[in-house]
Amino acid sequence: EAGVAQSPRYKIIEKRQSVAFWCNPISGHATLYWYQQILGQGPKLLIQFQNNGVVDDSQLPKDRFSAERLKGVDSTLKIQPAKLEDSAVYLCASSLRVGTDTQYFGPGTRLTVL
Amino acid sequence: QKEVEQDPGPLSVPEGAIVSLNCTYSNSAFQYFMWYRQYSRKGPELLMYTYSSGNKEDGRFTAQVDKSSKYISLFIRDSQPSDSATYLCAMSMNYGGATNKLIFGTGTLLAVQP
Repeated sequence: EAGVAQSPRYKIIEKRQSVAFWCNPISGHATLYWYQQILGQGPKLLIQFQNNGVVDDSQLPKDRFSAERLKGVDSTLKIQPAKLEDSAVYLCASSLRVGTDTQYFGPGTRLTVL
Repeated sequence: QKEVEQDPGPLSVPEGAIVSLNCTYSNSAFQYFMWYRQYSRKGPELLMYTYSSGNKEDGRFTAQVDKSSKYISLFIRDSQPSDSATYLCAMSMNYGGATNKLIFGTGTLLAVQP
């Protein structure tokens, strides 16, 4: 079974530029999550989708971050404009259902904002 | 006060040692407790999962939850160099099934020396 795929793996941008990350969850997984992991910290949930609907985006900085999951499969996370403090690893995870199902994580995209 | 506290380490032990990793938490509503292992430049992978209080054993790994003390532990017996990774505790309240938002600790970096 293929795991969660993410691209790009690494991205370096200047502050105030925009950037987009892509995630392809495990086939058949209805729930998709985006996490932000700052160096030395645990992952923090940014947004959770159930199919193509948003379940929780309470910690998403909506003035600069946006995410979509068209057709309930792939998802993109965008930052516009980026700030220095956005430097982090952006992890995508998926689970079969909501509730207590195991979340499977992708390898992440490491973003550096200069 | 953070919802979940975890000693960041680093923790260095010789091969074959017993390792004890711990987290404390403040929110008594947490009911689901997990340990994730994260190798360098990889996404977290679920290692152990426990519901409510008690012990759970899987091979060389034992997870303990003490809800009365708001304290969870992961024990690794006969530690191996391949166990060298960051160990993240995570907790969830499972908001009535609508979301299984995970709250992570900061992670403990473990190095097992051959």
